[in-house]
Amino acid sequence: GAGVSQSPSNKVTEKGKDVELRCDPISGHTALYWYRQSLGQGLEFLIYFQGNSAPDKSGLPSDRFSAERTGGSVSTLTIQRTQQEDSAVYLCASSLSVYQETQYFGPGTRLLVL
Amino acid sequence: QKEVEQDPGPLSVPEGAIVSLNCTYSNSAFQYFMWYRQYSRKGPELLMYTYSSGNKEDGRFTAQVDKSSKYISLFIRDSQPSDSATYLCALRADTGRRALTFGSGTRLQVQP
Repeated sequence: GAGVSQSPSNKVTEKGKDVELRCDPISGHTALYWYRQSLGQGLEFLIYFQGNSAPDKSGLPSDRFSAERTGGSVSTLTIQRTQQEDSAVYLCASSLSVYQETQYFGPGTRLLVL
Repeated sequence: QKEVEQDPGPLSVPEGAIVSLNCTYSNSAFQYFMWYRQYSRKGPELLMYTYSSGNKEDGRFTAQVDKSSKYISLFIRDSQPSDSATYLCALRADTGRRALTFGSGTRLQVQP
């Protein structure tokens, strides 16, 4: 079946603009995670969703970052007033539930803020 | 200090060599230990998963967890050029936050 998909694959924006990144998880997966990978760094947790529960937002670096998940499926990560330090690869992952350890990752969105 | 430390490499080995990749961690609550492989410009893919201590083998790959030393390892036998990638360790506790805590990754190059 189809894996996790993300769009766009690449995004170039100007400092101060807002961007939206999209994630389509594997069908039937109730848990969805967002991570950020900066150059030479490991993956940094941002936020996760589990079903209809309140999301765990503890990893969001500032209030310029937000995410939503509509209908328990597609998720959008929004970065407002982008800064150059937001440049990174944003990775989405999904799993059957947060109690399942296997997370399946999408290919990521490469964001460059000029 | 980071919760998970991993040597970034690069680690360059000849084809057929045995590769040892390692991570150390500080949080004793971690119970799930995973290794992901990430090819350039791709998302990470799960290679090995171990719960609590012990060894696990899958083909050419062996994962070891030593909780007393807070040290985890991944061994690759008979390494192939196709193994050239970045290897990330990822850890998670039994309770609390369900997201993974990753090491920074070790870049491996297997020379033909």
